Amino acid sequence: DVKVTQSSRYLVKRTGEKVFLECVQDMDHENMFWYRQDPGLGLRLIYFSYDVKMKEKGDIPEGYSVSREKKERFSLILESASTNQTSMYLCASREGTSGRNTQYFGPGTRLTVL
Amino acid sequence: AQSVTQLDSQVPVFEEAPVELRCNYSSSVSVYLFWYVQYPNQGLQLLLKYLSGSTLVESINGFEAEFNKSQTSFHLRKPSVHISDTAEYFCAVSDPVSSGSARQLTFGSGTQLTVLP
Repeated sequence: DVKVTQSSRYLVKRTGEKVFLECVQDMDHENMFWYRQDPGLGLRLIYFSYDVKMKEKGDIPEGYSVSREKKERFSLILESASTNQTSMYLCASREGTSGRNTQYFGPGTRLTVL
Repeated sequence: AQSVTQLDSQVPVFEEAPVELRCNYSSSVSVYLFWYVQYPNQGLQLLLKYLSGSTLVESINGFEAEFNKSQTSFHLRKPSVHISDTAEYFCAVSDPVSSGSARQLTFGSGTQLTVLP
């Protein structure tokens, strides 16, 4: 079974703090993704990575950056957290680059920025 | 650009009743279509997907969805729901032709299915 794990289920941070969200997958997948999930908006893609050290912006990259130093790990960074970044963050991985392949999701990190 | 519309944000239904969750997409090209399910306090998991061939696809737990190209729809149905089907359901689309970010998934806003005893 594919396993995608995220470092925290719940996180509370203060405005202006630097926040790291970690994601690890154990299936040697090339592609990894970060989404945020908000009520009524579904999932929106923040960034994705198609290989180590390679990244591409998604639909809402502003205020975020990412790092992929190893194939199994994809980190989302909030350089200076703001209250409008309070959300559920979901990480996913996928084998290969084809849009037909299934994305496998982690359990999510619920981030609250005070 | 692709978009996905899930017309119902909340669908309450009694146990053992049938249910249909609606999904429409906009795309000028052929598409891959997906339904993902999110149980409470969990991430999303794939329920079923349409890639090509038969327009009716089924999941292992009794859900089915039919790809209708003329109506650009991919509605999800189950003839008899259980309490355990209570979850949020997301329709998603990807474009098999384009490259780069265009091949990523575009999600609908989700439908919360609540099965009542």
